[in-house]
Amino acid sequence: AQSVTQLGSHVSVSEGALVLLRCNYSSSVPPYLFWYVQYPNQGLQLLLKYTSAATLVKGINGFEAEFKKSETSFHLTKPSAHMSDAAEYFCAAANAGGTSYGKLTFGQGTILTVHP
Amino acid sequence: DAGITQSPRHKVTETGTPVTLRCHQTENHRYMYWYRQDPGHGLRLIHYSYGVKDTDKGEVSDGYSVSRSKTEDFLLTLESATSSQTSVYFCAIKQDTTDTQYFGPGTRLTVL
Repeated sequence: AQSVTQLGSHVSVSEGALVLLRCNYSSSVPPYLFWYVQYPNQGLQLLLKYTSAATLVKGINGFEAEFKKSETSFHLTKPSAHMSDAAEYFCAAANAGGTSYGKLTFGQGTILTVHP
Repeated sequence: DAGITQSPRHKVTETGTPVTLRCHQTENHRYMYWYRQDPGHGLRLIHYSYGVKDTDKGEVSDGYSVSRSKTEDFLLTLESATSSQTSVYFCAIKQDTTDTQYFGPGTRLTVL
């Protein structure tokens, strides 16, 4: 079964510093991969996705992620953190192809704190 | 926001009572999903639907049932609510052209 692991339940950075949120998946076949962001008391918003096209994916709000098959990773980065980036971030995977009905498996989430 | 609404947005109920949560979409998507969100667990799939009257179980389906009699509505029912079902419930649709799921605003359920 597919699993997704996010390393670090809490990450704290200073404003202007690099943001790096880690995500690893377990699948023999590269899945579709997604990063979602959740602001307090809100739903999930799609940041970016990888669906077997370019391995470096750019998303909204200056975030990007790189798919690395050899490392089974899909880490999320942003060069310079803003206070408004403080939120919880979720990595998720879906089996590529039509037989899985698009079901998502989520990581446990990483809470990002940005200090002034 | 993919035209997804959930109702109610908040509910407090007592153990043993039945509860139904509604997810409504306006864009005719075939696939719909119910997830629950709990601290430390991310989101976990409860049930999903791949068409009217076509539903299947997810990883945490015990104690839940679903129905989909119309394309636009996907109902989640807790037949007899328990305190372990206190959670935030999210509905999602999958956009077929992009294989991407979009989420509703959530329902916060408290079972006392």
